Amino acid sequence: EAQVTQNPRYLITVTGKKLTVTCSQNMNHEYMSWYRQDPGLGLRQIYYSMNVEVTDKGDVPEGYKVSRKEKRNFPLILESPSPNQTSLYFCASSFVWGNEQFFGPGTRLTVL
Amino acid sequence: GQQLNQSPQSMFIQEGEDVSMNCTSSSIFNTWLWYKQDPGEGPVLLIALYKAGELTSNGRLTAQFGITRKDSFLNISASIPSDVGIYFCAGQLGHTGTASKLTFGTGTRLQVTL
Repeated sequence: EAQVTQNPRYLITVTGKKLTVTCSQNMNHEYMSWYRQDPGLGLRQIYYSMNVEVTDKGDVPEGYKVSRKEKRNFPLILESPSPNQTSLYFCASSFVWGNEQFFGPGTRLTVL
Repeated sequence: GQQLNQSPQSMFIQEGEDVSMNCTSSSIFNTWLWYKQDPGEGPVLLIALYKAGELTSNGRLTAQFGITRKDSFLNISASIPSDVGIYFCAGQLGHTGTASKLTFGTGTRLQVTL
């Protein structure tokens, strides 16, 4: 089944404790992206990757890191999480940049 | 970064009613997409529009690409309880298949009562 998977689905952590949210797609998509969703703000792009070893900042990259060592995986790293990073995070992928992105199920992160 | 304005922000309607929502931008887009997000899930693509003036249907859903290329509309006819969710528009400056960022609207939350 073609899909985008994220882990974990739910995470509660404390300020400053490094964490990684994994994202994997099995559709051989070149483009992958991370979004955060906050009430009233819709989906805002954090980072994106056009292909392996090619990543760039989105609209809200501060406090996040990403890597793209393999085509299928695009982990999101929070080196020192803060409460303002409490949010719902989505990973997405597509064959080409922006077009008809497929979304993962989401990761709800709470930073205390 | 730019965001699209969607209206209304939320709607409470009765089953069987028709629904209309729209999305506007200060910038021109060459591609418009409409997504639906069910509670606890990621957004799923409903309709893609690639040409100004285009009208496209997907079952009970109909979407239009505004002539000015600065807006798009989504209509749902004869709503049913499973239409509940958040509807997002997304605009893309580039044409399909070209490199271009996707900008999302703020969402319209739809609730359907029996």
